[in-house]
Amino acid sequence: DTEVTQTPKHLVMGMTNKKSLKCEQHMGHRAMYWYKQKAKKPPELMFVYSYEKLSINESVPSRFSPECPNSSLLNLHLHALQPEDSALYLCASSLQRATGGFTEAFFGQGTRLTVV
Amino acid sequence: SQKIEQNSEALNIQEGKTATLTCNYTNYSPAYLQWYRQDPGRGPVFLLLIRENEKEKRKERLKVTFDTTLKQSLFHITASQPADSATYLCALEDSGNTPLVFGKGTRLSVIA
Repeated sequence: DTEVTQTPKHLVMGMTNKKSLKCEQHMGHRAMYWYKQKAKKPPELMFVYSYEKLSINESVPSRFSPECPNSSLLNLHLHALQPEDSALYLCASSLQRATGGFTEAFFGQGTRLTVV
Repeated sequence: SQKIEQNSEALNIQEGKTATLTCNYTNYSPAYLQWYRQDPGRGPVFLLLIRENEKEKRKERLKVTFDTTLKQSLFHITASQPADSATYLCALEDSGNTPLVFGKGTRLSVIA
């Protein structure tokens, strides 16, 4: 199984809603990531989890709250978002090298989020 | 400041020709450089990885070169097909255990 599965595929939410994005992989990868991608822009790193611990937070606003319940699952909890947060949210996973760094990333299909 | 530049935002080529995409970087010391393909509304898909001590890597119709002196990688698709039309992203791992940083991508259109 070389898939990263993200749910839902599409999400429309109001600015006062609370919702969660989910990501799952069964490749034994211990590094998992959230990226945000706006139209015609590259993916921008938001968070990195390494061995279920948050290792990188790229100064993301607190209205985005990541969670890694176990080595296969990654969630992104959303609360009080703004319309400018509308984007494609991508989950990815990879191995970590024994010598440091991360191997190639496997991406999910993404969640298309629209904040109204 | 650190930059990854993919010089062409869009590239149109005729079917059967070789497409060459460029990735230049500034103020990085990447140990590895990777290329991904992304179709509209989908996540990127890994294509090739090249190490700093490798000059060239091939996979089927794909070829990547890596010149650390020029701080440049070239990505070639030979015998291009309309199905190769997509956005191609260059990504690098800087030294120090950092995750991937992506260039803006080049949107390739292969015309039949």
